[in-house]
Amino acid sequence: QSALTQPASVSGSPGQSITISCTGTSSDVGGYNYVSWYQQHPGKAPKLMIYDVSKRPSGVSHRFSGSKSGNTASLTISGLQAEDEADYYCSSYTSFSTWVFGGGTKLTVL
Amino acid sequence: EVQLVESGGGLVQPGRSLRLSCAASGFTFDDYAMHWVRQAPGKGLEWVSGISWNSGSTAYADSVKGRFTISRDNAKNSLFLQMNSLRAEDTALYYCAKAPGGNWFDPWGQGTLVTVSS
Repeated sequence: QSALTQPASVSGSPGQSITISCTGTSSDVGGYNYVSWYQQHPGKAPKLMIYDVSKRPSGVSHRFSGSKSGNTASLTISGLQAEDEADYYCSSYTSFSTWVFGGGTKLTVL
Repeated sequence: EVQLVESGGGLVQPGRSLRLSCAASGFTFDDYAMHWVRQAPGKGLEWVSGISWNSGSTAYADSVKGRFTISRDNAKNSLFLQMNSLRAEDTALYYCAKAPGGNWFDPWGQGTLVTVSS
C-alpha cells in the first residue's frame, strides 16, 4: 500500500492554470475510475473537490477539473485565485479493497 | 446539515489502548459506509480503516491491521475505532468521514488528536 506520488509543491500566478499530477499503479489509479481530490487549508479538515476522476460535487467551482491517463490522474485549477492556496491530496481505491492517498501537494499562489 | 464530530483522543502511553468515537447527524447514517483517516503532525493524509453500512465488510491499512478495529452502532448513529497496542507512529489527528458513493470521502469531521508518548 504505497502512497500515490504527487509533486511536493506547485505554484502559479493569479489567473493562470496549474496541474497537479498523482501517479499510482495499475492496482489503484490505473485500475479503477475511483480517484478523488481533496483541498486542505491550514488547520482545517479536508474538503472534497473531485470524485470518480472527473466529477465535481455541487458547490465546487468549475475552475477545478480532473482527468486520468493510464496510471496518472491530474487535477487542474484554472483561473487561479488566492483562496486556492492550500494543500491538495489525491486518493484512489485499490485492488486490495483499501484506499490510498497521495503524499500531498502544496499549492502556492504567487 | 451533515455533521461528524469525533471524540476520544488524548495522550496515551505506548502499548496502551484508546477508543475513538464519531457522532453523526444530518443524514441517514445506516445508508452509508464510513471511514477513518489520520494525519500525523505536519504530514499527509493516511487512510486507516473503513466499514460498510451494515458492518458486513471492514478494511484496514497494513499499518494498523491486527491492532485497530472499526465498528459502528447504527441505532446510535455512531462510528468507533478501537486502537490497541498503540505506537508513537500512531500519533495523529484522526478524522472520520462519510463515503457517499463508496470510494470518496465527504464530508469530514474536524478530527480528534491522539498522542502516543511516554
